Amino acid sequence: DVKVTQSSRYLVKRTGEKVFLECVQDMDHENMFWYRQDPGLGLRLIYFSYDVKMKEKGDIPEGYSVSREKKERFSLILESASTNQTSMYLCASTVPPYNEQFFGPGTRLTVL
Amino acid sequence: AQRVTQPEKLLSVFKGAPVELKCNYSYSGSPELFWYVQYSRQRLQLLLRHISRESIKGFTADLNKGETSFHLKKPFAQEEDSAMYYCALEDLIQGAQKLVFGQGTRLTINP
Repeated sequence: DVKVTQSSRYLVKRTGEKVFLECVQDMDHENMFWYRQDPGLGLRLIYFSYDVKMKEKGDIPEGYSVSREKKERFSLILESASTNQTSMYLCASTVPPYNEQFFGPGTRLTVL
Repeated sequence: AQRVTQPEKLLSVFKGAPVELKCNYSYSGSPELFWYVQYSRQRLQLLLRHISRESIKGFTADLNKGETSFHLKKPFAQEEDSAMYYCALEDLIQGAQKLVFGQGTRLTINP
């Protein structure tokens, strides 16, 4: 079974703090993704990576950055957290050509 | 631009009744389409993909290119079908698969 894990289920941070969200997959997948999930807006892609040290902006990259130093780990960084970044963050991974994305359990981030 | 629209945020039906969750898309080319489901306290997972033409948990989805739709259907709803459902479209960027998701539909099956 593919396993995608995220470092925290719940996280509470203060405005202006630097926040790290970690995602690890154990199936040697090349492609990894970060989404945020908001009611009424669905899932929106923040960043993705198709190889180590490679990254591509998604649809809403502003205020975020990512790091992929190892194939199994993809980190999402909020340089200076703001209240409008309060959301559920989902990590996913996949390997072509199977098309299916495997999701982590999510991190619910609250920024006060 | 690629876009997926799920017009219903909420859908409520009685157990045993037919269910149809609507999905419309805009895409230039032949789309690859998916339905993902998230049950309460579980992670988001693939329900079905149109290229497989399979029925999963009694659900089917037919791609209608003329109407640019990919509606999810089940003839007889079960209480365990209550969940959040997302329609998604595949977009390939630099060889990497990217999914464009709809806004989601929360389905509630009443006993």
